Amino acid sequence: GQQVMQIPQYQHVQEGEDFTTYCNSSTTLSNIQWYKQRPGGHPVFLIQLVKSGEVKKQKRLTFQFGEAKKNSSLHITATQTTDVGTYFCAGPRSGGSNYKLTFGKGTLLTVNP
Amino acid sequence: NAGVTQTPKFRVLKTGQSMTLLCAQDMNHEYMYWYRQDPGMGLRLIHYSVGEGTTAKGEVPDGYNVSRLKKQNFLLGLESAAPSQTSVYFCASSFGLAADTQYFGPGTRLTVL
Repeated sequence: GQQVMQIPQYQHVQEGEDFTTYCNSSTTLSNIQWYKQRPGGHPVFLIQLVKSGEVKKQKRLTFQFGEAKKNSSLHITATQTTDVGTYFCAGPRSGGSNYKLTFGKGTLLTVNP
Repeated sequence: NAGVTQTPKFRVLKTGQSMTLLCAQDMNHEYMYWYRQDPGMGLRLIHYSVGEGTTAKGEVPDGYNVSRLKKQNFLLGLESAAPSQTSVYFCASSFGLAADTQYFGPGTRLTVL
Protein backbone atom coordinates (compact mmCIF):
# COMPACT_ATOMS: atom_id res chain seq x y z
CA GLY A 1 0.00 0.00 0.00
CA GLN A 2 0.86 3.64 -0.16
CA GLN A 3 3.60 4.69 2.22
CA VAL A 4 4.75 8.09 3.36
CA MET A 5 8.20 8.07 4.90
CA GLN A 6 9.70 10.87 6.94
CA ILE A 7 13.28 11.44 7.94
CA PRO A 8 14.78 12.01 10.34
CA GLN A 9 12.65 10.54 13.11
CA TYR A 10 14.25 12.86 15.66
CA GLN A 11 16.29 16.04 15.43
CA HIS A 12 17.82 18.00 18.27
CA VAL A 13 19.25 21.42 17.49
CA GLN A 14 20.64 24.40 19.29
CA GLU A 15 18.45 27.46 19.17
CA GLY A 16 19.37 29.46 16.09
CA GLU A 17 20.37 26.45 14.00
CA ASP A 18 18.44 25.43 10.91
CA PHE A 19 16.29 22.32 10.67
CA THR A 20 14.98 20.28 7.75
CA THR A 21 12.63 17.32 7.61
CA TYR A 22 12.00 15.28 4.48
CA CYS A 23 8.94 13.42 3.32
CA ASN A 24 8.90 10.75 0.60
CA SER A 25 5.91 8.98 -0.86
CA SER A 26 5.88 5.64 -2.65
CA THR A 27 3.29 7.06 -5.06
CA THR A 28 2.65 10.38 -6.76
CA LEU A 29 0.61 12.72 -4.61
CA SER A 30 -2.07 15.13 -5.77
CA ASN A 31 -1.13 17.36 -2.87
CA ILE A 32 0.80 17.25 0.37
CA GLN A 33 -0.08 18.75 3.71
CA TRP A 34 2.09 19.55 6.70
CA TYR A 35 0.95 19.50 10.31
CA LYS A 36 2.62 20.44 13.58
CA GLN A 37 1.91 18.82 16.92
CA ARG A 38 3.22 20.47 20.05
CA PRO A 39 4.10 18.17 22.96
CA GLY A 40 0.86 17.07 24.61
CA GLY A 41 -1.18 18.74 21.90
CA HIS A 42 -2.99 17.80 18.75
CA PRO A 43 -1.94 18.08 15.09
CA VAL A 44 -2.51 21.51 13.62
CA PHE A 45 -2.52 22.21 9.90
CA LEU A 46 0.37 24.31 8.63
CA ILE A 47 0.17 24.34 4.86
CA GLN A 48 -0.82 22.51 1.70
CA LEU A 49 1.21 22.21 -1.50
CA VAL A 50 -0.42 21.26 -4.75
CA LYS A 51 1.76 22.14 -7.73
CA SER A 52 4.86 20.34 -8.90
CA GLY A 53 7.95 22.21 -7.69
CA GLU A 54 5.89 24.51 -5.50
CA VAL A 55 7.64 26.48 -2.77
CA LYS A 56 5.78 28.29 -0.02
CA LYS A 57 7.06 30.30 2.90
CA GLN A 58 5.61 31.08 6.29
CA LYS A 59 7.99 33.41 8.09
CA ARG A 60 10.97 31.17 8.96
CA LEU A 61 9.38 28.02 7.51
CA THR A 62 9.92 27.03 3.87
CA PHE A 63 7.94 24.19 2.32
CA GLN A 64 8.80 22.51 -0.98
CA PHE A 65 6.97 20.01 -3.15
CA GLY A 66 9.13 17.96 -5.47
CA GLU A 67 8.97 18.11 -9.24
CA ALA A 68 7.71 14.53 -9.40
CA LYS A 69 5.20 15.21 -6.59
CA LYS A 70 6.57 12.28 -4.59
CA ASN A 71 8.62 14.17 -2.05
CA SER A 72 8.47 17.28 0.07
CA SER A 73 10.52 19.10 2.64
CA LEU A 74 10.07 21.54 5.49
CA HIS A 75 12.97 23.81 6.37
CA ILE A 76 13.05 26.03 9.44
CA THR A 77 15.60 28.82 9.49
CA ALA A 78 17.09 29.89 12.81
CA THR A 79 15.02 27.64 15.07
CA GLN A 80 13.39 28.98 18.20
CA THR A 81 12.13 27.15 21.26
CA THR A 82 8.60 27.75 20.00
CA ASP A 83 9.37 25.45 17.04
CA VAL A 84 9.52 22.41 19.33
CA GLY A 85 7.11 19.67 18.32
CA THR A 86 6.49 16.88 15.87
CA TYR A 87 6.09 17.76 12.21
CA PHE A 88 3.98 15.46 10.06
CA CYS A 89 3.51 15.33 6.34
CA ALA A 90 0.38 13.78 4.89
CA GLY A 91 -0.88 12.95 1.44
CA PRO A 92 -4.19 11.73 0.06
CA ARG A 93 -4.40 7.99 -0.34
CA SER A 94 -4.16 6.74 -3.86
CA GLY A 95 -6.65 4.45 -5.50
CA GLY A 96 -9.97 6.18 -5.37
CA SER A 97 -10.81 7.22 -1.81
CA ASN A 98 -9.27 10.63 -2.04
CA TYR A 99 -10.60 11.85 1.27
CA LYS A 100 -8.28 9.79 3.45
CA LEU A 101 -4.81 10.99 4.31
CA THR A 102 -1.73 8.88 4.84
CA PHE A 103 0.44 10.45 7.50
CA GLY A 104 4.16 10.06 7.83
CA LYS A 105 5.41 9.02 11.25
CA GLY A 106 6.65 12.52 11.90
CA THR A 107 9.89 14.21 12.87
CA LEU A 108 10.26 15.24 16.50
CA LEU A 109 12.18 18.50 16.80
CA THR A 110 13.68 19.54 20.09
CA VAL A 111 15.47 22.87 20.52
CA ASN A 112 18.09 23.57 23.16
CA PRO A 113 17.90 27.21 24.28
CA ASN B 1 -16.91 28.17 17.37
CA ALA B 2 -15.50 25.36 19.46
CA GLY B 3 -14.15 23.49 16.42
CA VAL B 4 -13.66 19.81 17.21
CA THR B 5 -14.23 18.65 20.76
CA GLN B 6 -13.66 15.24 22.30
CA THR B 7 -14.90 13.67 25.49
CA PRO B 8 -13.53 12.38 27.73
CA LYS B 9 -9.98 13.76 27.85
CA PHE B 10 -8.64 10.88 29.89
CA ARG B 11 -9.92 7.42 30.75
CA VAL B 12 -8.59 4.32 32.43
CA LEU B 13 -10.30 1.02 31.68
CA LYS B 14 -9.83 -2.54 32.80
CA THR B 15 -9.44 -5.26 30.20
CA GLY B 16 -12.83 -6.32 28.91
CA GLN B 17 -14.66 -3.11 29.80
CA SER B 18 -16.43 -1.08 27.17
CA MET B 19 -16.59 2.62 26.50
CA THR B 20 -17.56 5.21 23.93
CA LEU B 21 -15.54 8.20 22.86
CA LEU B 22 -17.50 11.17 21.61
CA CYS B 23 -16.37 13.59 18.94
CA ALA B 24 -18.35 16.70 18.05
CA GLN B 25 -17.70 19.39 15.46
CA ASP B 26 -19.53 22.64 14.86
CA MET B 27 -18.05 23.48 11.46
CA ASN B 28 -20.69 21.65 9.40
CA HIS B 29 -18.03 19.32 8.04
CA GLU B 30 -19.08 16.30 6.02
CA TYR B 31 -16.10 14.07 6.74
CA MET B 32 -15.00 12.85 10.13
CA TYR B 33 -12.16 10.55 11.16
CA TRP B 34 -10.87 8.63 14.12
CA TYR B 35 -7.12 8.13 14.49
CA ARG B 36 -4.96 6.52 17.10
CA GLN B 37 -1.47 7.74 17.88
CA ASP B 38 1.16 5.51 19.39
CA PRO B 39 4.83 6.33 19.98
CA GLY B 40 6.82 5.90 16.80
CA MET B 41 3.73 4.93 14.78
CA GLY B 42 2.40 8.29 13.73
CA LEU B 43 -1.33 8.68 13.13
CA ARG B 44 -3.23 5.61 12.03
CA LEU B 45 -6.77 5.80 10.71
CA ILE B 46 -9.26 3.62 12.57
CA HIS B 47 -12.60 4.46 10.95
CA TYR B 48 -14.01 7.36 9.03
CA SER B 49 -17.29 8.76 7.80
CA VAL B 50 -18.11 10.65 4.64
CA GLY B 51 -21.48 11.84 5.84
CA GLU B 52 -24.32 11.36 8.27
CA GLY B 53 -25.31 7.72 8.50
CA THR B 54 -22.17 6.42 6.77
CA THR B 55 -19.05 4.78 8.19
CA ALA B 56 -16.10 2.92 6.73
CA LYS B 57 -13.02 1.08 7.93
CA GLY B 58 -9.59 2.62 8.01
CA GLU B 59 -6.28 0.82 8.34
CA VAL B 60 -6.65 -0.41 11.93
CA PRO B 61 -10.41 -1.01 12.53
CA ASP B 62 -10.31 -4.24 14.53
CA GLY B 63 -11.75 -3.96 18.03
CA TYR B 64 -13.54 -0.68 17.32
CA ASN B 65 -16.97 0.32 16.09
CA VAL B 66 -18.27 3.71 15.06
CA SER B 67 -21.54 5.50 14.44
CA ARG B 68 -22.48 8.77 12.77
CA LEU B 69 -26.14 9.27 13.58
CA LYS B 70 -25.87 13.05 13.42
CA LYS B 71 -23.66 15.05 11.08
CA GLN B 72 -21.92 16.83 13.91
CA ASN B 73 -21.13 13.76 16.00
CA PHE B 74 -18.89 10.75 15.44
CA LEU B 75 -18.71 8.09 18.13
CA LEU B 76 -15.96 5.54 18.61
CA GLY B 77 -16.79 2.45 20.63
CA LEU B 78 -14.63 -0.16 22.26
CA GLU B 79 -16.76 -3.20 23.08
CA SER B 80 -14.15 -5.17 25.01
CA ALA B 81 -11.06 -3.12 25.71
CA ALA B 82 -7.61 -4.70 25.45
CA PRO B 83 -4.23 -3.40 26.64
CA SER B 84 -3.20 -3.04 22.97
CA GLN B 85 -5.81 -0.29 22.69
CA THR B 86 -3.93 1.91 25.12
CA SER B 87 -3.29 4.97 23.00
CA VAL B 88 -4.13 8.57 22.34
CA TYR B 89 -7.22 8.89 20.16
CA PHE B 90 -7.77 11.86 17.92
CA CYS B 91 -10.89 12.80 16.07
CA ALA B 92 -10.66 15.01 13.00
CA SER B 93 -13.05 16.54 10.53
CA SER B 94 -12.80 18.09 7.10
CA PHE B 95 -15.14 19.93 4.83
CA GLY B 96 -15.10 17.56 1.90
CA LEU B 97 -12.20 16.44 -0.22
CA ALA B 98 -8.82 15.03 0.82
CA ALA B 99 -7.35 18.29 -0.36
CA ASP B 100 -9.10 19.94 2.54
CA THR B 101 -7.47 20.63 5.85
CA GLN B 102 -8.25 18.19 8.62
CA TYR B 103 -9.10 19.81 11.93
CA PHE B 104 -8.18 17.76 14.95
CA GLY B 105 -9.73 17.56 18.37
CA PRO B 106 -7.63 17.75 21.55
CA GLY B 107 -7.46 13.98 21.92
CA THR B 108 -8.44 11.33 24.45
CA ARG B 109 -5.74 9.53 26.38
CA LEU B 110 -6.92 5.98 27.05
CA THR B 111 -5.18 3.47 29.24
CA VAL B 112 -6.34 -0.14 29.37
CA LEU B 113 -5.02 -2.12 32.30
